[in-house]
Amino acid sequence: DTAVSQTPKYLVTQMGNDKSIKCEQNLGHDTMYWYKQDSKKFLKIMFSYNNKELIINETVPNRFSPKSPDKAHLNLHINSLELGDSAVYFCASSPEQLTQYFGPGTRLTVL
Amino acid sequence: GEDVEQSLFLSVREGDSSVINCTYTDSSSTYLYWYKQEPGAGLQLLTYIFSNMDMKQDQRLTVLLNKKDKHLSLRIADTQTGDSAIYFCAESPNSGYALNFGKGTSLLVTP
Repeated sequence: DTAVSQTPKYLVTQMGNDKSIKCEQNLGHDTMYWYKQDSKKFLKIMFSYNNKELIINETVPNRFSPKSPDKAHLNLHINSLELGDSAVYFCASSPEQLTQYFGPGTRLTVL
Repeated sequence: GEDVEQSLFLSVREGDSSVINCTYTDSSSTYLYWYKQEPGAGLQLLTYIFSNMDMKQDQRLTVLLNKKDKHLSLRIADTQTGDSAIYFCAESPNSGYALNFGKGTSLLVTP
């Protein structure tokens, strides 16, 4: 009955690889987000989608590409992974521009 | 962009009250939020306050908002060891499609 779920929870990979993180919400929300939390716990918005349309695309390398196949899913694909991509990635969802509910996070480690 | 400011650490004794302070930047934020993050876990929405309110109380939690000074505080009454976590203040500027987080306050509750 998890409201916002992410897979995988942990992801360890080599530099240069391509990987995806999946996010699903069963709350019926229209808006979904990806945030990055760095090693100092600082959280920063990466992307925001509303009804499958990209609303916010912060200064994120174009190696990061979000994909929203439907309103309940927002996946994050990362090409050519770099050491600096190591972080915890959080998915969130909200009804329009209201309170955001976060997933459990995916800890990405690039070796 | 401008930063949401929080003190980084707070230590209190069990049973005492904790007050975590935050200074935000965007006066257009409709809602202001407090999230809690326990070690290795995701972000849990604790409480939020609408910008036209001065105070909101929810069981042991009291939120105070001073719009003139752009100051937000979270008071936890009768702090317990289970309250030890990182507490994030967040504003919802501009379009409201992203949250702008502070760097988090690590609360340590000692017996």
